[in-house]
Parts: sequence; structure tokens; C-alpha cells
Amino acid sequence: EAGVVQSPRYKIIEKKQPVAFWCNPISGHNTLYWYLQNLGQGPELLIRYENEEAVDDSQLPKDRFSAERLKGVDSTLKIQPAELGDSAVYLCASSSYDSTEAFFGQGTRLTVV
Amino acid sequence: KQEVTQIPAALSVPEGENLVLNCSFTDSAIYNLQWFRQDPGKGLTSLLLIQSSQREQTSGRLNASLDKSSGRSTLYIAASQPGDSATYLCAVYNTDKLIFGTGTRLQVFP
Repeated sequence: EAGVVQSPRYKIIEKKQPVAFWCNPISGHNTLYWYLQNLGQGPELLIRYENEEAVDDSQLPKDRFSAERLKGVDSTLKIQPAELGDSAVYLCASSSYDSTEAFFGQGTRLTVV
Repeated sequence: KQEVTQIPAALSVPEGENLVLNCSFTDSAIYNLQWFRQDPGKGLTSLLLIQSSQREQTSGRLNASLDKSSGRSTLYIAASQPGDSATYLCAVYNTDKLIFGTGTRLQVFP
């Protein structure tokens, strides 16, 4: 069974540029999470989807961050414009409807210069 | 607000030692607790999931315990190996999301 797939693995952009990350969850998992992990810290939730509905986006900086999960499968997280402080690892995770066990992807390491 | 703390922040041990990683949380109203492993530059690998009604879970050389009333969990690693070197994160599932500690960075040297 394929795990959670994220792309790209690495991204370097200049500040003020836009960037997008993509996540394909485990097949059949209806819950999808985007987490932000700063260096030396534990991940923190940005947004949680149940199918195509964003049910918790309270920690998402909506002035520059946006996310979508059309059709309740793949998801895209976008930052526009990126700031130096956005440099971090962006992790995607998924879980099934009958379990809260979360499975994570490899993450996207973003560097803003 | 739920807070998760992991002690120690870093640990270096010789191969073969048995070791214990600690995790504490401030709000005992958790649904479950999950231990993860993270290798440098990689994502998180789920090691063990303990439901709130359970006291422990075992997988190979790993054993995790949960004491909800005292807000504590421990991850026991038996006969440590250099391949166990990684950062270990615990997370509690609370209010429909995982809340993580900052991790314990483990180094096992030959």
C-alpha cells in the first residue's frame, strides 16, 4: 500500500514569490492534515480536512496561506507571497474514518531566501 | 491548552543499552497517544499508537506505556542499535488534532 506522497521534496524560492505544495493521502483516508514543522520543534497543525471540507483552519495564516482539497482526495497548500519566516518543513498526513492513527508523508522542505 | 513535553531533549548511549524516553502532557482528556520516529530530513514514521483506554503497546523492541491520570507516557527501547538513532516524537490526539512534543534526539553509538 502506497503511503502519503508529497511533492516537491525540496523547494527554494525568493521572498515574495508564490509556492505550492501537493499531497496525495493514503487511498481511502478521508481525513487530511497539513502540519508545519520548524527546525527543532514538533509539527503544528495548519489545517485539517474531512473529505473536501476544511473543518479546522484556525492556525492557518489566511492572509498569505490557502489550501484546497477538491474532490476530497489530493490537496494543495499555497503560500503567496512567501516570507523568510516561512522556511520550514511542510508535512501532510492522513487518517481513515475509523481511526485517528495518522500517517505522514516525507514532507516538503521550503527555503525562502 | 494542551502542552506536551519530552525529556530528555537529547540522549547519547552505547549500543546495547536499554533506554526510556519520557513524554508528559497537561490535559488528560486525550483520545490516544502516538509515538513517531523522524530521521534527519525525513517525514514521521508511526511507531506505536496507544488508545486512551489502553495501558501499553508493544512492537518488537519497542514498548510504550500510558498513564492518563498522571499525564505521562514512556517509550522503552530494548537493546538499542545504531539504526535506532533518530528523533522520537510523542503526540497526543486532543480536540481532533495531534499535539506534538519537541522530541528526543537519540544517538546510539557502536
